Amino acid sequence: DAEITQSPRHKITETGRQVTLACHQTWNHNNMFWYRQDLGHGLRLIHYSYGVQDTNKGEVSDGYSVSRSNTEDLPLTLESAASSQTSVYFCASSDSGSYGYTFGSGTRLTVV
Amino acid sequence: AQSVTQPDIHITVSEGASLELRCNYSYGATPYLFWYVQSPGQGLQLLLKYFSGDTLVQGIKGFEAEFKRSQSSFNLRKPSVHWSDAAEYFCAVGARSQGNLIFGKGTKLSVKP
Repeated sequence: DAEITQSPRHKITETGRQVTLACHQTWNHNNMFWYRQDLGHGLRLIHYSYGVQDTNKGEVSDGYSVSRSNTEDLPLTLESAASSQTSVYFCASSDSGSYGYTFGSGTRLTVV
Repeated sequence: AQSVTQPDIHITVSEGASLELRCNYSYGATPYLFWYVQSPGQGLQLLLKYFSGDTLVQGIKGFEAEFKRSQSSFNLRKPSVHWSDAAEYFCAVGARSQGNLIFGKGTKLSVKP
């Protein structure tokens, strides 16, 4: 069955370290998204991609980067982790024009 | 600016009672509207979506939502709530020209036995 997987599920890192969160989907979806979820803020868009080599900034992109070298993967990199980036991160994908997101199970990141 | 407002942060209903979760949006064009549900520790699952046509849409798990353009609302309803419906519910809005969605802050639903 097709799926979207995020790894790791939980991570603790230190301030200033570079961290990469993985997102892999086997739906063959063109669109992929990264959101962060924080209490009182709901889900906020970090970065998104509409296809290979395409990336776009979302509402809260500062301190984050993504690259899309193939259809299946959109890794999210925190260049220099900060305590404000402690959050739950969700990856999602969708087919072009469908808007029915499929979400991963999330990565809980703690920056100490 | 595009936005989604869910006025109720937390709602508690008794099992078997009816439910209505409110969602208001601000959008320049005809919106695409969605409701998602999130169980604790899980990702979000699509309940239903509205693109066009009949303004009353049916979703999974017995949920429905009604699009009211004049009120900029897309409220979620269920006639009889089950204990397993306890979760957090998110309303989202998008547009034909964009693939990304804007989410509300969510409404947490608790169900009393």
